[in-house]
Order: sequence, then structure tokens, then C-alpha cells
Amino acid sequence: EVQLVESGGGLVKPGGSLRLSCAASGFSFSNYTMNWVRQAPGKGLEWVSSISGRSSFIYYADSVKGRFTLSRDNANDSLYLQMNSLRAEDTAVYYCARDFDSHFDFWGQGTLVTVSS
Amino acid sequence: DIQMTQSPSSLSASVGDRVIITCQASQDIRNYLNWYQQKPGKAPNLLIYDASTLETGVPSRFSGSGYGTDFTFTISSLQPEDIATYYCQQYDNLPSFGQGTRLEI
Repeated sequence: EVQLVESGGGLVKPGGSLRLSCAASGFSFSNYTMNWVRQAPGKGLEWVSSISGRSSFIYYADSVKGRFTLSRDNANDSLYLQMNSLRAEDTAVYYCARDFDSHFDFWGQGTLVTVSS
Repeated sequence: DIQMTQSPSSLSASVGDRVIITCQASQDIRNYLNWYQQKPGKAPNLLIYDASTLETGVPSRFSGSGYGTDFTFTISSLQPEDIATYYCQQYDNLPSFGQGTRLEI
């Protein structure tokens, strides 16, 4: 059974940093592009970043470029999102999602990041 | 960046109704269009990919159509468990989502 479990969310002050993790199981992790998608409270879905299976290609939304860094550890079936210089507008539930042939077929349950003083 | 315009933003319907949601892309995205359902407090769930292919296990009352810039998502006979917010997503280049349609009964 495919499972994606996010962790690392919490309350952080503006300008602070946070590292999110996504633990994958039930599939051959290194064969899949992985993504982070976020959802601000009461708002819609926003794609954040994606990374190819061997980390050859990494892409970011303009809203996080230069502040967030996406990486993965295929040996440990894990995905990471390092978030620096956090702003109030980064407050959201962050989901990791598996990318299967240009659609997101499995999602984690999400982890909440709150940026507030 | 490709912008996705989804309409309506909210919709009230009755059990058994046919429900239609549209999504328009700002440029040609071929058939790289997916539809997701999200219930309150839950992660999104893939319903349709490549504009018209039903994901495994999704009821056949859900369907999708379209190509290029104009797409349609249909629920043929609305059920109470279909109350949710629905999102289109393009993936011709970097992914982006429509703003969502909240479906109420």
C-alpha cells in the first residue's frame, strides 16, 4: 500500500526556517517524481515544488524560489523541503504528492506550517 | 505561467442532479488536465487524469472531456457523498490548479 507521511510542521516566526519531511512507503520511491503542494487556510491548492526521481530536475513556484530547497534521499525513501525566510503568506497545510505520468495519484495527509510572531 | 480559470466557484445542487464544472487554460495544454476532489480536512483525491481517463476505483458517474484550452467535468447523478471542493490541474508545463469549485447540496 502506498503511503506518504509528512512531518516537521509547526509554528515559526517570520524570517525563520523549517524543514518538512515526507516518508514514503509501498512503492519504488526512486522511480517517481515527487511534489509539494500547499493550501493556505480556506484557500485553494498551490503547487510549490517538484523533484525528479534521481534529483536531476528540480522546479519551484515563483512564490518560493530562492527561499525553499527541495531534496530527496532515495536510500531512505524520504523527501525534504527546507523552508527559509518564511513569511506569513507561507502559512498553509503542506502536502507531499506522488507524480505518476503528469498527475498526482497519491497524497499524504499534510502538515501544518504557521508563520506568525 | 499557465493560468487555469475554473467556474463556477460554488454550486448548489440536489441529489440526482447533473453537475458540470468547466476549466479554461490560458494556453493550449493538449490533454494534460486532471481533476481532484477534496473533502474538508482531507487531502485531495485524484478522480480523472489526461482530461478524460477515470482513475481506478472512481465511480463512473464522474467524467471529464476537453482538449486544448477548454475542459469539462461532469457528475451525471449527484450523490450526497460528492459534497466536496473540486479542482482542475494542468500539467503541460509546471503544474497549476484552478481556484476550485465548492459543491453544496
